[in-house]
Amino acid sequence: AQTVTQSQPEMSVQEAETVTLSCTYDTSESDYYLFWYKQPPSRQMILVIRQEAYKQQNATENRFSVNFQKAAKSFSLKISDSQLGDAAMYFCAYRSAPPGDSNYQLIWGAGTKLIIKP
Amino acid sequence: NAGVTQTPKFRVLKTGQSMTLLCAQDMNHEYMYWYRQDPGMGLRLIHYSVGEGTTAKGEVPDGYNVSRLKKQNFLLGLESAAPSQTSVYFCASRRQGMKYGYTFGSGTRLTVV
Repeated sequence: AQTVTQSQPEMSVQEAETVTLSCTYDTSESDYYLFWYKQPPSRQMILVIRQEAYKQQNATENRFSVNFQKAAKSFSLKISDSQLGDAAMYFCAYRSAPPGDSNYQLIWGAGTKLIIKP
Repeated sequence: NAGVTQTPKFRVLKTGQSMTLLCAQDMNHEYMYWYRQDPGMGLRLIHYSVGEGTTAKGEVPDGYNVSRLKKQNFLLGLESAAPSQTSVYFCASRRQGMKYGYTFGSGTRLTVV
């Protein structure tokens, strides 16, 4: 079974600085998808960025980028120029790719609480 | 479009009471999921459905039942609530064939006393 581990329960960063959130996963599959979700106090789950395992290029979305190390099974999220609105819980999630994903469910890490210091 | 709507948003139950959480989506998605979120843990799958009239167990199904009589609705039932079921419950939906595109509801905070 696949597992996702986020070893940092809480991280803090000064506004405008850069922070990296860690995520490791365990799988025997060769093709899969990885996601970072943001959950602000409103509880809404917001997709931040996604990565397909067969793509070597790291995904980037504006100030958010990932460092995907497939051999090391690592998928870290870098947030540049941190803003107060970035304060939230961040979850790393894994999903099998076809034909392995019989139900398309997401496997989640425990989350990292990101605090932005003004 | 409303996306995924969960009702109620908050609820307090006494041990042994029953209740039903409703998830409704207006995107014609085939797949629907119920997750629970507990402090210090990621979301865990309770039950899911791959289409109208079909349901299946997830990782933590005990104490819950589900039904999907209509494609747009996915109901989660607690027949006899226990304090261990105190949690935040999330519903999500997804269109068949899409790689991404999970849509989440805003959650239901349930407290069982």
